[in-house]
Parts: sequence; structure tokens; C-alpha cells
Amino acid sequence: RKEVEQDPGPFNVPEGATVAFNCTYSNSASQSFFWYRQDCRKEPKLLMSVYSSGNEDGRFTAQLNRASQYISLLIRDSKLSDSATYLCVVTHQTGANNLFFGTGTRLTVIP
Amino acid sequence: NAGVTQTPKFRVLKTGQSMTLLCAQDMNHEYMYWYRQDPGMGLRLIHYSVGEGTTAKGEVPDGYNVSRLKKQNFLLGLESAAPSQTSVYFCASSTLKALAKNIQYFGAGTRLSVL
Repeated sequence: RKEVEQDPGPFNVPEGATVAFNCTYSNSASQSFFWYRQDCRKEPKLLMSVYSSGNEDGRFTAQLNRASQYISLLIRDSKLSDSATYLCVVTHQTGANNLFFGTGTRLTVIP
Repeated sequence: NAGVTQTPKFRVLKTGQSMTLLCAQDMNHEYMYWYRQDPGMGLRLIHYSVGEGTTAKGEVPDGYNVSRLKKQNFLLGLESAAPSQTSVYFCASSTLKALAKNIQYFGAGTRLSVL
């Protein structure tokens, strides 16, 4: 079973729409959770961390449900510049804090 | 600001050839990582290093070797390339302080095709 599973999409939404991505993780010992963004043919970049209480950064809201081992990302008022692949990432907090990546969910925001 | 630099950016190899991918960081980071990214698989850790002179295996180490002779450089070697090693390779680095926030800084990637 994959460490992190995501719906690959693609999600095609109009500008201004609200879109939600979900991911599940298999290891109950996972300790830290993140969303990374990856533009086409570019490197991944940290978008935001995900905290148990849920957290918001502008138009982006991340939530974590430890009991269900489920992470979500909500994007409100989608912009064209939000078009990218969103990667769900977890870590087990080992010595090197190795990251485990989901396959990513592709989002295209349409004018 | 250079950050994490990977060379080469692109490479085409024939089956059985060898090559070395270079990752260099100018941020004095202790931790360095090599990942590969394949369609439908996400990024997977190949090898990592927690300091100069030390390396460790990640999730998919077979067919690769690494060396960290200098703190700023992390080399990934393919001794005998196979088509299954066609992928995009990303290097990343981090510090203990950044790791507390689980932040890794990625290079721009190396696209490798093995024919």
C-alpha cells in the first residue's frame, strides 16, 4: 500500500471557483503533514504545513484528521496562477526527517 | 542566490552506460537528499546524507550509489544505466533548524532518459 494516496485528477475549474483536494496516509505514526506545489517541469515547493487544528493561509485552508488519517486542502477564489500539481507530503520524523510524497493532484484553472 | 544546483539538467544515456549527477548547495546545509519522480509514483527517496562522509539508503536505492565527500556536494551515480532509471531526479537539502519545520529546499531537477 502506498504511503500517501491522492486523487490524481485532473481538476479543471473556472476562475473564482472553490476546489478541494484530499489525501490519505497509511502510517499512523506519521507526525508532520504538508502540501507542496509543483509547477510543470519545475521542482516542488512548500505551500503550507498542516496542523491538527487546521490552518489557513490567505485563500488556502488545510485540515488534518488524524483519526481517519486524512488531509485536505481547500482553495477559494481560484486564480489562473493556482494551476499546478499539489503534492500531499507526510513525514515520520525519523533521523533525517524523510518526506513521503503522494503522486499529486493536477489543477487547471480556466479563464 | 544559487541555493541547490543540479547538473546536468538533461541527459540521454544508452543502456549500460554510467554517469554521475551532481548536486551542489551553497547554504551550508547538513542534510542532503536524492529523489526520483516518475508518473503515477510521486517523488521517492533514493539515498540521503546527514553530514559529510555519511550516506544512507532511502526507499529505492537499488542501482544507485552516492557519495558526500564534501559538505556542499552530494553525488548520485548510476554504474550501469537501465531503462527503468529513466526519470526526473531531484536533489534537496536542509538544516536541522529547517528540519524542525520539515522544510527541504529542492534543486531544479535532472531529466534522464535511458535508451
